[in-house]
Amino acid sequence: AQSVTQLDSHVSVSEGTPVLLRCNYSSSYSPSLFWYVQHPNKGLQLLLKYTSAATLVKGINGFEAEFKKSETSFHLTKPSAHMSDAAEYFCVVTTLDTGRRALTFGSGTRLQVQP
Amino acid sequence: KAGVTQTPRYLIKTRGQQVTLSCSPISGHRSVSWYQQTPGQGLQFLFEYFSETQRNKGNFPGRFSGRQFSNSRSEMNVSTLELGDSALYLCASSSTGTDNEKLFFGSGTQLSVL
Repeated sequence: AQSVTQLDSHVSVSEGTPVLLRCNYSSSYSPSLFWYVQHPNKGLQLLLKYTSAATLVKGINGFEAEFKKSETSFHLTKPSAHMSDAAEYFCVVTTLDTGRRALTFGSGTRLQVQP
Repeated sequence: KAGVTQTPRYLIKTRGQQVTLSCSPISGHRSVSWYQQTPGQGLQFLFEYFSETQRNKGNFPGRFSGRQFSNSRSEMNVSTLELGDSALYLCASSSTGTDNEKLFFGSGTQLSVL
């Protein structure tokens, strides 16, 4: 069994300030972890993924995330928010269970960027 | 390379009808998965197909079904529509369907059931 908890449903930041979107997970297996972004009326786009290599993962558009096994966390950060970052962000955990991919989405965090 | 294409983009149906949604994956991708997105339930996994075989299924009633063709294109069918089936239906494709693989999503089909 696996689950994902995104700790904030909404986050509001000012343009140019840091972004922190929090994600905690639980999994019976070694998980792969992803962050996806969804802009209005669009599908999801991959920001970054962790697959047991480096614990600090760099993604597109200046985003990065750190995998902390002891805290079962995979928080997403960006040093300086841009207006175009306003979107919904999903933390996703996947495992292979008896050869079948099991995928669980977090409930999403809506990021608002104020000018 | 063309992305994942979903048709139609919008659909309006009435209760009791059935609907078929289509998804064309990225060329060369053999795995297609479907998701339902609603404001209340968020994103939920429906099912995944790989090489024309359903490989995994989420917790949805039997009214939700799908299939995959030899060219990897997939269709999803919902029979006897209910108001609660109103949602954005997303499909995603990937090359081999392994757990650490990136998913490529389409823009979705917005289904409204009246």
